[in-house]
Amino acid sequence: DSGVTQTPKHLITATGQRVTLRCSPRSGDLSVYWYQQSLDQGLQFLIQYYNGEERAKGNILERFSAQQFPDLHSELNLSSLELGDSALYFCASSVRGDDGGYTFGSGTRLTVV
Amino acid sequence: AQKVTQAQTEISVVEKEDVTLDCVYETRDTTYYLFWYKQPPSGELVFLIRRNSFDEQNEISGRYSWNFQKSTSSFNFTITASQVVDSAVYFCALSEAGEGSSNTGKLIFGQGTTLQVKP
Repeated sequence: DSGVTQTPKHLITATGQRVTLRCSPRSGDLSVYWYQQSLDQGLQFLIQYYNGEERAKGNILERFSAQQFPDLHSELNLSSLELGDSALYFCASSVRGDDGGYTFGSGTRLTVV
Repeated sequence: AQKVTQAQTEISVVEKEDVTLDCVYETRDTTYYLFWYKQPPSGELVFLIRRNSFDEQNEISGRYSWNFQKSTSSFNFTITASQVVDSAVYFCALSEAGEGSSNTGKLIFGQGTTLQVKP
């Protein structure tokens, strides 16, 4: 157990729907990162939060949004889902949020049908 | 721009063979970190190593060893006496490091190398 908890582990939904992925960081970690792993794009950075504030944005679609709550857990919201959004979504957390030394959760596998 | 290239898409070896996974990176930063992650068939990302750009010493951990050469911008990973359990996708990654608000720690991943170790 890495200490980073992602729920749900699997999600199947239809095109056009909206889903929320949840991430609880490791105890003491202030920074949360979201990554998407798809067959055609590989592993890509989506967004980072540090202590409740957005710190960096990567290749995140406008249909996607995220936030980090006061208890430091984070949610990634995906809306108007398309078939191409099917992917493995990873959350990671770190203490400092500036050196890449972080721990990944086990991921949420999203399938859009 | 930062970039990580893993030119080997798939490698297949027979158990007990040694295998080297190549990683070449590009960055304009003088301070950075390099990583290797393993992704077994179960899907999770398992951290293997982090190396600071100022530390060019090679590292050995059991059957695993890493060769960092700044002159060629390479950070290669060797598995000695491979085992079936080593079968996985291996990712090399790069991140900025050091002080400064611009350093977010985001990882730039290579495309991954699928290693198949046959019994």
